Amino acid sequence: DVKVTQSSRYLVKRTGEKVFLECVQDMDHENMFWYRQDPGLGLRLIYFSYDVKMKEKGDIPEGYSVSREKKERFSLILESASTNQTSMYLCASRAGTSGDIGSYEQYFGPGTRLTVT
Amino acid sequence: AQTVTQSQPEMSVQEAETVTLSCTYDTSESDYYLFWYKQPPSRQMILVIRQEAYKQQNATENRFSVNFQKAAKSFSLKISDSQLGDAAMYFCAYKRFGNEKLTFGTGTRLTIIP
Repeated sequence: DVKVTQSSRYLVKRTGEKVFLECVQDMDHENMFWYRQDPGLGLRLIYFSYDVKMKEKGDIPEGYSVSREKKERFSLILESASTNQTSMYLCASRAGTSGDIGSYEQYFGPGTRLTVT
Repeated sequence: AQTVTQSQPEMSVQEAETVTLSCTYDTSESDYYLFWYKQPPSRQMILVIRQEAYKQQNATENRFSVNFQKAAKSFSLKISDSQLGDAAMYFCAYKRFGNEKLTFGTGTRLTIIP
């Protein structure tokens, strides 16, 4: 079974702190994704990575950065946390490289509920 | 830009009955994929069913089936013989051919009434 794990289920940080959210997958997937989930807005893509050290912006990258130094690990970084970044953060991974393998499933982690006060 | 609309924020159904969740999407593309994902309370999101746009036949997975109407850009999910374990948030999602990005709807919270 594919396993995607996230470093924390719940996190409370103060405004202005630097926050690291980590995601690890154990299936050698090339693609990894970070989403935020807010009530009434669904899931919105922040960043994704299709290979080590490669990244692409999603729909809402402002205020976030990412790091992928190893294939199995994808980190989301909030350089200076703000209250409007209070949300549920979901990581996902998916197999596949180039070409369209669009029917491949994205596997999600359990999520990190981040509260910024 | 592609958009996915789920017009039913909440639905409820009696156990053992059938329920249909609605999803519409907007795209100018002809090649794409559609998905329904399930997010149970405090549990991980999982894929329920997928549909390739080039396939005319509606996808089916056990008690879950879809009604894919390409011309109408509609992709509804039918759950037959509803069970208590079906209670969850359900998200409809769209993916364009050749693009990594999944676009999600806002979700429908399904409650199962015993």
